[in-house]
Amino acid sequence: GAVVSQHPSRVICKSGTSVKIECRSLDFQATTMFWYRQFPKKSLMLMATSNEGSKATYEQGVEKDKFLINHASLTLSTLTVTSAHPEDSSFYICSASGGTGVGNEQFFGPGTRLTVL
Amino acid sequence: GENVEQHPSTLSVQEGDSAVIKCTYSDSASNYFPWYKQELGKGPQLIIDIRSNVGEKKDQRIAVTLNKTAKHFSLHITETQPEDSAVYFCAVGGNQFYFGTGTSLTVIP
Repeated sequence: GAVVSQHPSRVICKSGTSVKIECRSLDFQATTMFWYRQFPKKSLMLMATSNEGSKATYEQGVEKDKFLINHASLTLSTLTVTSAHPEDSSFYICSASGGTGVGNEQFFGPGTRLTVL
Repeated sequence: GENVEQHPSTLSVQEGDSAVIKCTYSDSASNYFPWYKQELGKGPQLIIDIRSNVGEKKDQRIAVTLNKTAKHFSLHITETQPEDSAVYFCAVGGNQFYFGTGTSLTVIP
């Protein structure tokens, strides 16, 4: 089946630094990638949707200048948390889809645990 | 926007028994209904999905039923095993993708 990887799996950083998380589709071309945030024992919250070669579409309440998303190729999207603060600590999960509509399957990465000290 | 409700939030069953999780949604235009299993510290894994032109789909011990008129769909797991213990999320896809609130399933050996 379709495989999506994320790197790193865990990251600990100091407050004020920036952190980049990579999401790769390993065996298919991901026209659309999604970034989610998940708090402990909570559901996934969609942060943004990105189509290859286009600017990401952010959900209401998500700061686009803080969470920079780049989808430069059909197999790679990156999420950069800029000037991270403790409240940004969370589990970040990406997913990838081979189609542009959400009626297509989404394949999820294993997630990245971000801890900001 | 879409409103997805998932019940129950927690479910404990004896090994070998069946487990049923139900989701309701509000947008009649939604047309894609996947179920995901998430183990602790991992990303969600698609276990089964159904599209709006089908009423039921089965894959070994797992089945999903969809009632478009009533706007609800359910996950059925038969002959549960301890390794089925996880958090299960429903999702609804139409113009956007919305997740349910999750069900923590515990299968007691």
